[in-house]
Amino acid sequence: EAQVTQNPRYLITVTGKKLTVTCSQNMNHEYMSWYRQDPGLGLRQIYYSMNVEVTDKGDVPEGYKVSRKEKRNFPLILESPSPNQTSLYFCASSTPPGQGSGELFFGEGSRLTVL
Amino acid sequence: GQNIDQPTEMTATEGAIVQINCTYQTSGFNGLFWYQQHAGEAPTFLSYNVLDGLEEKGRFSSFLSRSKGYSYLLLKELQMKDSASYLCAVMDSNYQLIWGAGTKLIIKP
Repeated sequence: EAQVTQNPRYLITVTGKKLTVTCSQNMNHEYMSWYRQDPGLGLRQIYYSMNVEVTDKGDVPEGYKVSRKEKRNFPLILESPSPNQTSLYFCASSTPPGQGSGELFFGEGSRLTVL
Repeated sequence: GQNIDQPTEMTATEGAIVQINCTYQTSGFNGLFWYQQHAGEAPTFLSYNVLDGLEEKGRFSSFLSRSKGYSYLLLKELQMKDSASYLCAVMDSNYQLIWGAGTKLIIKP
């Protein structure tokens, strides 16, 4: 089954404690992206990757890091989480934007609370 | 700046028809997407329009007018399960997606 898998789905942590949200896709997609979703603000892109070892900042990259060492994995790293990073996070993948419909496949989401 | 506008919330009756509008101002245009998102779940793809006109897919249709910077999603024969948020997104000239804040659709019996 084609899917994007994120872990953990739910996490409560404290300010400053480093955490990683993993994301893995099994569709051999070149493009992967991380979004955060907050009430009334819609989806905001954090980072994206066009392919292995190629990553770029999205609209809200501050406080986040990513890596793309393998095609299937795109972890999101919060080195020193702060309460304003409390949010619902989505990982997504697709064929390269501009090729075909570019439909995004989303993971189930990771709800993060930073105390 | 780049901007996507869609109504915050709409209410409709089961069995009826509803039209959700989306207007956009972006740097270039490489297609417009509609996604459905049930509360607490991931968005799922509904439609993609890159040329003007109406695309029909079952009970859902999507329309695009590039000259007007306008799209709508038409939902027919509404069912209770259609209660969800509907997200409009435009791919700009750099192939980046610009997202609207979403329209929450409430279906009443």
